[in-house]
Amino acid sequence: AQSVTQLDSQVPVFEEAPVELRCNYSSSVSVYLFWYVQYPNQGLQLLLKYLSGSTLVESINGFEAEFNKSQTSFHLRKPSVHISDTAEYFCAVSGGFNKFYFGSGTKLNVKP
Amino acid sequence: DTAVSQTPKYLVTQMGNDKSIKCEQNLGHDTMYWYKQDSKKFLKIMFSYNNKELIINETVPNRFSPKSPDKAHLNLHINSLELGDSAVYFCASSQPTGTGNTEAFFGQGTRLTVV
Repeated sequence: AQSVTQLDSQVPVFEEAPVELRCNYSSSVSVYLFWYVQYPNQGLQLLLKYLSGSTLVESINGFEAEFNKSQTSFHLRKPSVHISDTAEYFCAVSGGFNKFYFGSGTKLNVKP
Repeated sequence: DTAVSQTPKYLVTQMGNDKSIKCEQNLGHDTMYWYKQDSKKFLKIMFSYNNKELIINETVPNRFSPKSPDKAHLNLHINSLELGDSAVYFCASSQPTGTGNTEAFFGQGTRLTVV
């Protein structure tokens, strides 16, 4: 079985400060890893993904995540956040069985 | 072009009614899903279909009946709606590989309110 744990339900941070959203997973098979973002009253949008290759993956808006197999983690980071980054962030894994396992979400609240 | 589209976006209905939500994807994906997002934002998979065949049914009440007329469409019909069915329902699609599924593309969601 697979599972995803997002330890922080809410992360408040001031604008231009760095942020890290934590994600740990458990799986007995190889997995693909994803971070999705959900803005208020919208669907989920893919932020970045790890399928294979380089363990550090980046998004077009400055987020990055590193796949750490030994620690079974895929933490999301951004060196300087903007007000517009305020949203709910979901970590997810896919390892077969035709479904994605989602974490419980982390609400990032960027304050001016 | 919208990759995954679902209709309606909002649905307000009375307890006991029957309603349907439609979903279509134009990505050529083989797998489609229905997810339910509750008020705490938790995403729970309900169904997964691969090439029109039901693959996953996650202990969903049988009042919920998905139908896939072709691999581009996955509709959700709900009978005898209850207050607890109020949630946002998301349709999604993805393409399976040998290791897992590539990223899921989500629709904009259908906010169902049962009164």
